[in-house]
Amino acid sequence: SYELTQPPSVSVSPGQTASITCSGDKLRDKYACWYQQKPGQSPVLVIYLNTKRPSGIPERFSGSNSGNTVTLTISGTQAMDEADYYCQAWDRTTALFGGGTKLTVL
Amino acid sequence: EVQLLESGGGLVQPGGSLRLSCAASGFTFNNYAMSWVRQAPGKGLEWVSAISGSGDNTYYADSVKGRFTISRDNSMNTLYLQMSFLRVEDTALYYCAKGGWLNPLDYWGQGTLLTVS
Repeated sequence: SYELTQPPSVSVSPGQTASITCSGDKLRDKYACWYQQKPGQSPVLVIYLNTKRPSGIPERFSGSNSGNTVTLTISGTQAMDEADYYCQAWDRTTALFGGGTKLTVL
Repeated sequence: EVQLLESGGGLVQPGGSLRLSCAASGFTFNNYAMSWVRQAPGKGLEWVSAISGSGDNTYYADSVKGRFTISRDNSMNTLYLQMSFLRVEDTALYYCAKGGWLNPLDYWGQGTLLTVS
């Protein structure tokens, strides 16, 4: 079955750049999304179609797709960005989520 | 403003059934696919099911296929998830989300909790 693989955790210092990867077979042929989920809250879409930012999402959030890996990049990371991040893509008629990455800002 | 309000969660014994509902507002409901996504306590997100705007096309995760049925009432702007033959491992917070096949899930509800025990 199709799987999306994310690192369980990423740490970053405030003001630095955080990169969270998501890998999957033939991911370059799919469109990926990224969701942010803070404790006790519902997920929020932060990137769609690999690189698009929904309205209201800060410009410091960006996405890229290269080969079989998509990457969420947060430039100038702020304390408020500390959260779990999930990638997601469609494989034929099934939606898949990555296992999630806990971003710690310290 | 898009709003999604789930209801119907509760405590059910294994093998039992339950129907979840999601009342939608703030957008033209029948123009958009809708999805259910669940999250077991302390775990990650798991997509459960999606349905097209017309309701003609439905999609399911293998883990729920044959046990869960997604449907919608476009006259009532409401999404449903009928769950049968429930298992302990179905215990989760169930989110309703706007979006579906090949489209991003751009709005999410607050979730409704199902406990199978």
